[in-house]
Amino acid sequence: GEDVEQSLFLSVREGDSSVINCTYTDSSSTYLYWYKQEPGAGLQLLTYIFSNMDMKQDQRLTVLLNKKDKHLSLRIADTQTGDSAIYFCAEYKAAGNKLTFGGGTRVLVKP
Amino acid sequence: DTAVSQTPKYLVTQMGNDKSIKCEQNLGHDTMYWYKQDSKKFLKIMFSYNNKELIINETVPNRFSPKSPDKAHLNLHINSLELGDSAVYFCASRTGDGELFFGEGSRLTVL
Repeated sequence: GEDVEQSLFLSVREGDSSVINCTYTDSSSTYLYWYKQEPGAGLQLLTYIFSNMDMKQDQRLTVLLNKKDKHLSLRIADTQTGDSAIYFCAEYKAAGNKLTFGGGTRVLVKP
Repeated sequence: DTAVSQTPKYLVTQMGNDKSIKCEQNLGHDTMYWYKQDSKKFLKIMFSYNNKELIINETVPNRFSPKSPDKAHLNLHINSLELGDSAVYFCASRTGDGELFFGEGSRLTVL
């Protein structure tokens, strides 16, 4: 999406940490999300963060939000082969009542 | 129990035909969406309904017509199908906190 941008591809070794980055343009976004899509499947909500927070941790997942730079990241600790998927960040704007997605980052975990 | 269910999951049809995709959510949410995912995995919002009323109608050809008979259902009807309509169509519903729950997707192939 033109408002939300992500790098296209990330390769990581099993057991290492993965960091997926995302930038957005609208400072009025109220929520920011990370979704995971495995091949042939729908989108699975992984985690989300309110725009008034700067960090959220949920088991192996850590979300960092830098509002000044409009930068969102998702860190996956101890990456497993099952983490191979496409990861989408998305911003929600209450004014437009819609979720706008980035283009997705394809993560490949190598054994 | 599937929270957001779409039918059919796969749809193969000829150009010029008319087809429908159905979506139902049993989560009690008021807001539902249709998204289109193209071959490059880019997700674009098409429509949004809140309690049976259309609230978002992105730049989508008028061959696409959503219908919401009640707040648990949002169906997508497509007239005069074209090759470029081939994609995966995702239905989603939204909580009051802004989380979107997606269906498994309906893969439409136009020959």
